[in-house]
Parts: sequence; C-alpha cells; structure tokens
Amino acid sequence: EAQVTQNPRYLITVTGKKLTVTCSQNMNHEYMSWYRQDPGLGLRQIYYSMNVEVTDKGDVPEGYKVSRKEKRNFPLILESPSPNQTSLYFCASSLSQGRTEAFFGQGTRLTVV
Amino acid sequence: AQSVTQLDSQVPVFEEAPVELRCNYSSSVSVYLFWYVQYPNQGLQLLLKYLSGSTLVKGINGFEAEFNKSQTSFHLRKPSVHISDTAEYFCAAINAGGTSYGKLTFGQGTILTVHP
Repeated sequence: EAQVTQNPRYLITVTGKKLTVTCSQNMNHEYMSWYRQDPGLGLRQIYYSMNVEVTDKGDVPEGYKVSRKEKRNFPLILESPSPNQTSLYFCASSLSQGRTEAFFGQGTRLTVV
Repeated sequence: AQSVTQLDSQVPVFEEAPVELRCNYSSSVSVYLFWYVQYPNQGLQLLLKYLSGSTLVKGINGFEAEFNKSQTSFHLRKPSVHISDTAEYFCAAINAGGTSYGKLTFGQGTILTVHP
C-alpha cells in the first residue's frame, strides 16, 4: 500500500531536549516536505527536499533541521525544542515538485512543556 | 501563489443540504489548485485538483469545484452533504511558474460540520 509513515504519532517532551520525528515513504517520490498545522493558520511549510541531499527552507524553518540521505526518508529534527513549537506536524511526499498531488502522513502531535 | 484565503473558518449545515466552501487565491503567476480534506486524527487526502482545461472539476465523494480565473476563486461545492462529510477542508495552490515554481501554499482551513 502506498503510504507516508510518520513516527511517533504523539510526543510530549521538555524544553531543550533534542528530538527527531521520522518520515518514510514507499512510493519512490522525489519531493518531500514538512508542515506544521496550527489553528487558524492552516499548514505552513517548514522545509522541503527535491531529492537526496537537496533540501531548502520553507516559510517557517527557524528551530528545525532536516536531512535527506536516502530517497525514502526525511526526518525532522528539533535540536532544542521550545513551547512555541507545540503543534501538529505533517510529512508529505509527491512524485515531483509542481502539479502532482501531495500524499500526507498521519501527523505527529508534539507538545513541548 | 502569494496567498490562499478561505473565507469561512466554520460552516455548519444540515444533512442533505447543499454546501459551498469558498476559496480565493492571489498570485502573479499561473497556479494549480487543490482541495484537501482532513478527517479527525488523520492526515490530509486529496479531494480534487485543477491543472488545466475544463474549469469545473469533479472529485471524490460527490464534491466538485469551479475555477474562476477572473475572480481568482476555486470554490468547493456539494449538492447534498452527509454526516460523514464533517471534516476540515483545505484549499491549496501550487505556483505553475516563476521563481517559486512548485511552492504549495495552503489556506487557513474551513471546518464543515454536518448536523442531523
């Protein structure tokens, strides 16, 4: 089954403790991206990757890091989480950047206390 | 698109009534347009998309949308809603050209609540 898998689904952590949210897709998609969803703001792009070893900042990259060492994986790293990073995070992938639809993971609800 | 605006944050409606969820976009280049649906505790899934051609596009679950270039709108409609249509709906646009080619921009979301 074609899917985007994120882990964990739920995470509560403390300020400053490094964490990684994993994302994996099995569709051989080139383009992957991370979004955060906040009430009233819709989804905002954090980082995106057009292919292996090619990543770039989205609209709200501060406080986040990503890597793309393999085509299927695109982890999101929070080196020093802060409470304003409490949010719902989605990973998405698409065949290419442009007119193709994006496939989304189930989401990771992160709470930073 | 520079921005995507969904004009209603919440839309309550009774079962079997028609519904329209409004979306406007602003862009200096051509765009591709999408509607996604998010059911509770799930990710987003594609309802329909407009890339080119006929301005009336049909999607899954009986939804349709009409692209209006002069109004820069892409409103979503369904003639008769079901309880199961209760969800949050997102309009989105991808730049079809320019320096931001492929950038996906989302609207703020519209929560559709269908009452029995």
